[in-house]
Amino acid sequence: AQRVTQPEKLLSVFKGAPVELKCNYSYSGSPELFWYVQYSRQRLQLLLRHISRESIKGFTADLNKGETSFHLKKPFAQEEDSAMYYCALKLSSGNTPLVFGKGTRLSVIA
Amino acid sequence: EPEVTQTPSHQVTQMGQEVILRCVPISNHLYFYWYRQILGQKVEFLVSFYNNEISEKSEIFDDQFSVERPDGSNFTLKIRSTKLEDSAMYFCASSSTGGDTEAFFGQGTRLTVV
Repeated sequence: AQRVTQPEKLLSVFKGAPVELKCNYSYSGSPELFWYVQYSRQRLQLLLRHISRESIKGFTADLNKGETSFHLKKPFAQEEDSAMYYCALKLSSGNTPLVFGKGTRLSVIA
Repeated sequence: EPEVTQTPSHQVTQMGQEVILRCVPISNHLYFYWYRQILGQKVEFLVSFYNNEISEKSEIFDDQFSVERPDGSNFTLKIRSTKLEDSAMYFCASSSTGGDTEAFFGQGTRLTVV
């Protein structure tokens, strides 16, 4: 079965410090990986997906198939980055559901 | 910007009662989903719906659950006889296609079973 692991429930960093939110997955095929973010009192929204290979709000994530990881990184954290971050996996293409990790709460301290 | 709308935002119900959670997906979307999140746990898939039928469901989605698209806009989740363990945040989502396109989520309905 597919599984997404986010080992940290809470990550606190100082403003301006680098951030890395870890995500590992288990799936034998070729998954599609996503990061969703939920700001306080807002809905879940897509932050980025591995196939687009883009940087959103300064965040990047590289799919490492050898390590089955999709860590989310930002070189300089901002206070407005404080939120819940969910790593999610989808089975290749087609109408398949997202499998979520438990989420990591990022707290950026001024 | 179009968004997925869920009502009510909070529902309190007595154990054994039926509840209907409502969702209005984005108007040109074809794929619809329900997820739930028990407090402190991860977001879990319940069911996906396409072309007026269930395309996939999880083990959680047993006979107590049903989904319906009664008209061209609403997408509902019904729980026939609620249990205490059904207390959770329920999220509706929709996407334009089922592939790698973005799933847009509603703000959620918090269901509390007492």
